[in-house]
Amino acid sequence: SSELTQDPAVSVALGQTVRITCQGDSLRSYYASWYQQKPGQAPILVIYDKNNRPSGIPGRFSGSSSGNTASLTITGAQAEDEADYYCNSRDSSGDRVIFGGGTKLTVL
Amino acid sequence: QVQLQQWGAGLLKPAETLSLICAVYGGSFNDYYWSWIRQPPGKGLEWIGEINHAGRTNYNPSLKSRVIISLDTSRNQFSLRLTSVSAADTAVYYCAREKAYCSGGNCLNWFDPWGQGTLVTVSS
Repeated sequence: SSELTQDPAVSVALGQTVRITCQGDSLRSYYASWYQQKPGQAPILVIYDKNNRPSGIPGRFSGSSSGNTASLTITGAQAEDEADYYCNSRDSSGDRVIFGGGTKLTVL
Repeated sequence: QVQLQQWGAGLLKPAETLSLICAVYGGSFNDYYWSWIRQPPGKGLEWIGEINHAGRTNYNPSLKSRVIISLDTSRNQFSLRLTSVSAADTAVYYCAREKAYCSGGNCLNWFDPWGQGTLVTVSS
């Protein structure tokens, strides 16, 4: 299969913990990467290699993976974390890149 | 710190050819894939295709018949051509560098950095 499925929208109270999930068959062999996109801006990488953060990404962002599901967790969500989040991997053949449909995170 | 800067025509008429260029500053093409990704207004990310340092390409099957991605190593640039555009091709187009490999039974990939994006509008 060459699809990644995300919930369209998730909300979290300020300072609380939120988990955004991504499901797909390719995730049984690929670790997902995660991107944050704010309106009018290019996506930025927040998690790669299952649970690694690029320089400059706050420690409240973490990743995990189990079976066909990858998760992005924000521990102590801040107002500036309100954004669209996309997961990404390659398909099981390795020849094509696939993105999840995106999750809109609202911080209440 | 690798940076990508992209440019190209932002307004096209139906049936014309979309052409975008992405310049790579501060790095080489080796060991990475170089991709084009687009995002229609209000929608999600769609991978268009990629090229590696050896010139090997992979394309999204839904666009394959209309897409050419090429590499100019002398100028440190790669480019996208999309023929016979229609309103459905209206989107912000991004270039991005991808690292992808398999190790120890697991595979991984990630895109970093991304270009700034170019809005391409197709309208008569």
